[in-house]
Amino acid sequence: ELKVEQNPLFLSMQEGKNYTIYCNYSTTSDRLYWYRQDPGKSLESLFVLLSNGAVKQEGRLMASLDTKARLSTLHITAAVHDLSATYFCAGYTGRRALTFGSGTRLQVQP
Amino acid sequence: DVKVTQSSRYLVKRTGEKVFLECVQDMDHENMFWYRQDPGLGLRLIYFSYDVKMKEKGDIPEGYSVSREKKERFSLILESASTNQTSMYLCASREGLWGTGELFFGEGSRLTVL
Repeated sequence: ELKVEQNPLFLSMQEGKNYTIYCNYSTTSDRLYWYRQDPGKSLESLFVLLSNGAVKQEGRLMASLDTKARLSTLHITAAVHDLSATYFCAGYTGRRALTFGSGTRLQVQP
Repeated sequence: DVKVTQSSRYLVKRTGEKVFLECVQDMDHENMFWYRQDPGLGLRLIYFSYDVKMKEKGDIPEGYSVSREKKERFSLILESASTNQTSMYLCASREGLWGTGELFFGEGSRLTVL
């Protein structure tokens, strides 16, 4: 069964700074997904990483996947307040359903 | 754009009541899912369905059942609601296994059981 661990679970950072959220997973998986959730809202898909070495960028966020290390990263460049949200990574188990990490709550301070 | 619609955003029910949560998707997706989300516990899979009338238990199916009579609709049923089922319920859909595997979520249904 796939286990997905994110760290940190909570991140408070200042605007303009860079930081990385890490997502480790326990078994072989060639796909990894990142979602964003705003308070009281549902999950919005951010990135779909479908192969080893995949890198996707959208604005100030960049996600990458290293299947050999079983690691995905979400890098935040020059954070702005609008990026404050909870970020989840997720991967597939053998049962064909996504298993989610616990989420990283990001708070960007002015 | 894929649209997943959950019929009720907020519900308040009493212990022992039967509760129906409905979810409809408009993209002809084969697979549909129900998760619940609780603080500190993340998202946990309740049930999923990979075809009409087909269902598979997730990690926490106890106290829940599901129904999928039509491809676009997936219902979650709480036969006798209990206070420990107070939670945010999230429905999601996905095209078949040969797609990207991305899940598309509805807005969520926040259920309070008194």
